[in-house]
Amino acid sequence: DAGVIQSPRHEVTEMGQEVTLRCKPISGHDYLFWYRQTMMRGLELLIYFNNNVPIDDSGMPEDRFSAKMPNASFSTLKIQPSEPRDSAVYFCASSFGYNNQPQHFGDGTRLSIL
Amino acid sequence: SQQGEEDPQALSIQEGENATMNCSYKTSINNLQWYRQNSGRGLVHLILIRSNEREKHSGRLRVTLDTSKKSSSLLITASRAADTASYFCATDAWETSGSRLTFGEGTQLTVNP
Repeated sequence: DAGVIQSPRHEVTEMGQEVTLRCKPISGHDYLFWYRQTMMRGLELLIYFNNNVPIDDSGMPEDRFSAKMPNASFSTLKIQPSEPRDSAVYFCASSFGYNNQPQHFGDGTRLSIL
Repeated sequence: SQQGEEDPQALSIQEGENATMNCSYKTSINNLQWYRQNSGRGLVHLILIRSNEREKHSGRLRVTLDTSKKSSSLLITASRAADTASYFCATDAWETSGSRLTFGEGTQLTVNP
């Protein structure tokens, strides 16, 4: 079975540019999560969706960050404009149900903002 | 904020030895989960233990949960070099915005061949 697929795996761009990260969840999963991992702050939940609807975006750091889920098989996380402090590894995860269910992670996008 | 705190931060052992990692948390939980992360990869779910369970096994993994002490432990028996990874506990607890999974900072396990 295909797992959660993220693209690109690596992204290097200059400050001020728009960055779009993509995620394809596991087919049939109804929850999708976006996380950010840094050495300083560990793994942080940014936003999660249920049936394509954003449920909790309290972890989104600033208005420069936005996320969409236009259909059950695709989600994007966009940063505009990007800043060096946005450099991190961004993970997408999905699950079938939420309570007492494991989350399945993609391999992440390593983002470097110069 | 990070609810789960793993201990130790780093652990180095020889192949064949057992590895024990601990996790402490602060609030009431629905369940506690353990994940593994290999370098450059995403997190992989290992085991989930519900708040009304005290112990769970999966292969060479044994997880215990003590809700009175708000702590959990992950034991890996007969460790292998392939077990080298970071291990995270994650607590599923109700907050004002609903149930959410909060990850600790992880334990880096190195198993030397």
